[in-house]
Amino acid sequence: QKEVEQDPGPLSVPEGAIVSLNCTYSNSAFQYFMWYRQYSRKGPELLMYTYSSGNKEDGRFTAQVDKSSKYISLFIRDSQPSDSATYLCAMSATGRRALTFGSGTRLQVQP
Amino acid sequence: NAGVTQTPKFRILKIGQSMTLQCTQDMNHNYMYWYRQDPGMGLKLIYYSVGAGITDKGEVPNGYNVSRSTTEDFPLRLELAAPSQTSVYFCASSYNSGANVLTFGAGSRLTVL
Repeated sequence: QKEVEQDPGPLSVPEGAIVSLNCTYSNSAFQYFMWYRQYSRKGPELLMYTYSSGNKEDGRFTAQVDKSSKYISLFIRDSQPSDSATYLCAMSATGRRALTFGSGTRLQVQP
Repeated sequence: NAGVTQTPKFRILKIGQSMTLQCTQDMNHNYMYWYRQDPGMGLKLIYYSVGAGITDKGEVPNGYNVSRSTTEDFPLRLELAAPSQTSVYFCASSYNSGANVLTFGAGSRLTVL
């Protein structure tokens, strides 16, 4: 079983829709949770960063962590064609030297 | 401020050839990483370094070598290229491991034929 599971998609939505992207994980030691966005043929860039459980909002983006269910989500409100990218969840535990990434979900926002 | 710079962007190798992927960062980050990304497989850690002179294996180190002689540079060496090493390689850096905020390079696309 992979430590981090993520639906690869692709997920296609119309412009203006609310998008929900999710990851599940098995390692209860994970405490740091991130979402990276990767445009085609580019390197990933950090989008959201959350420590432990709870919600974090940044503009149209909301990251949610439920440690009891080992489940994290990224919500995108009023989605735009420029949001079309692959979204990678990533997580880590105290003392770990590197991140564990999900496989990424490809999102397409249709104009 | 260039961030993380990788060269080359594209390369085709024949089986058995060797090459070095270059990575340099100008942010004075202590931690540097090499990942490979295969379609549908996410990012797999090859090697990482916590500072000059210190390197350690990641999840998929076989067939690769690294060195870290300076804070800025972290080259990845492929000694005997195999088709299984066809992938996109990303170098990344961070100030420390606790922050987990990685800055990635643009990637190097390698094909082994």
